[in-house]
Amino acid sequence: EAGVTQFPSHSVIEKGQTVTLRCDPISGHDNLYWYRRVMGKEIKFLLHFVKESKQDESGMPNNRFLAERTGGTYSTLKVQPAELEDSGVYFCASRRDMGGEQYFGPGTRLTVT
Amino acid sequence: AQKVTQAQTEISVVEKEDVTLDCVYETRDTTYYLFWYKQPPSGELVFLIRRNSFDEQNEISGRYSWNFQKSTSSFNFTITASQVVDSAVYFCALSEAGFQKLVFGTGTRLLVSP
Repeated sequence: EAGVTQFPSHSVIEKGQTVTLRCDPISGHDNLYWYRRVMGKEIKFLLHFVKESKQDESGMPNNRFLAERTGGTYSTLKVQPAELEDSGVYFCASRRDMGGEQYFGPGTRLTVT
Repeated sequence: AQKVTQAQTEISVVEKEDVTLDCVYETRDTTYYLFWYKQPPSGELVFLIRRNSFDEQNEISGRYSWNFQKSTSSFNFTITASQVVDSAVYFCALSEAGFQKLVFGTGTRLLVSP
């Protein structure tokens, strides 16, 4: 069974540009989460999808961040326009059901210059 | 509010030494779950263990053991006879009942030298 995959592994963009991160969860996992780790701090929750619906988006920092999960399969996280403080590692995780573990992808390292 | 504190930023040991990684948590929930994840140099977060708040039994898995103490709100992780392959960043995390979002600590970087 393939794990959670994320693309790209690393992205370097200039302030003001747009970047889209992609996450492919484990097949059959209805729950999908986005987290990010900024500058060696703790990993912070961004949002949670159940299938295509946003279950909890309390961690989204501002309206420059837009997450989608059309069709309840893969998810995208768009940052527009990117700011310097958005630099960090963005993790995606998926979980099958309420009793399961969250399985994490390798992360996307975003650098905004 | 929930909070996880990992006071040790970095620990360096020599192979075969035992090492304990500390984790202290705060929550108002009576039902909650505690986790440890390992982040090797490759970057992904690898699940190690989950404990629920009603089970204070210590757990041992090979060289790994976990000590959960509700009285001190701690969930410490011990690696016995450490190996170079144990070098990684270790994160402690907490979630409320229902397995929703994880609240992570800042992580402890463990360096095991030969």
